Amino acid sequence: SQQGEEDPQALSIQEGENATMNCSYKTSINNLQWYRQNSGRGLVHLILIRSNEREKHSGRLRVTLDTSKKSSSLLITASRAADTASYFCATARVDSSYKLIFGSGTRLLVRP
Amino acid sequence: GAGVSQSPSNKVTEKGKDVELRCDPISGHTALYWYRQRLGQGLEFLIYFQGNSAPDKSGLPSDRFSAERTGESVSTLTIQRTQQEDSAVYLCASSLGQGIDTQYFGPGTRLTVL
Repeated sequence: SQQGEEDPQALSIQEGENATMNCSYKTSINNLQWYRQNSGRGLVHLILIRSNEREKHSGRLRVTLDTSKKSSSLLITASRAADTASYFCATARVDSSYKLIFGSGTRLLVRP
Repeated sequence: GAGVSQSPSNKVTEKGKDVELRCDPISGHTALYWYRQRLGQGLEFLIYFQGNSAPDKSGLPSDRFSAERTGESVSTLTIQRTQQEDSAVYLCASSLGQGIDTQYFGPGTRLTVL
């Protein structure tokens, strides 16, 4: 069964706005990763946050992790039409950190 | 540098036929992973290879699925007697080593079983 669950399932925003996606998970993790997927094919790694970290930035991306609530959020600031894609969180469990468990994803549409 | 490559990019087959999907990992990456993604869903872990260690096959959905890897190079995922529910995108990834290393994904093979 999937461990990570994202919400919302779909998000439509105007270019320039910020997009926030959330991910919840069930068991203890080693790290949590966010991936992006265009057109249902290859995934691109965006950012990895370890269990002892609370926030991480990469360009226009900001990721937070709250291990007490078993949740994470991905914020994309000043969105662009090119950000349109599906975004997935993936957790690496403590007991099998190589085995990423993916959520069902958030489909983001950025309208120009 | 070359990324992870997969072939074929698309495969259409008839129910009951066997298929072979190929993955070429990034050179020097000792870890290799196969995932399956059904339409509109997230990825499901299938199998993991790390160097010469015994693979973790815990995600394979049935004994019709098998995978091999030659050393630290090419891997082949074989599905025997395909069923319609096997239709999905099969994604391969590789990483430098075990554990928390970033996984780099190939473009996937879209399998359609008629």
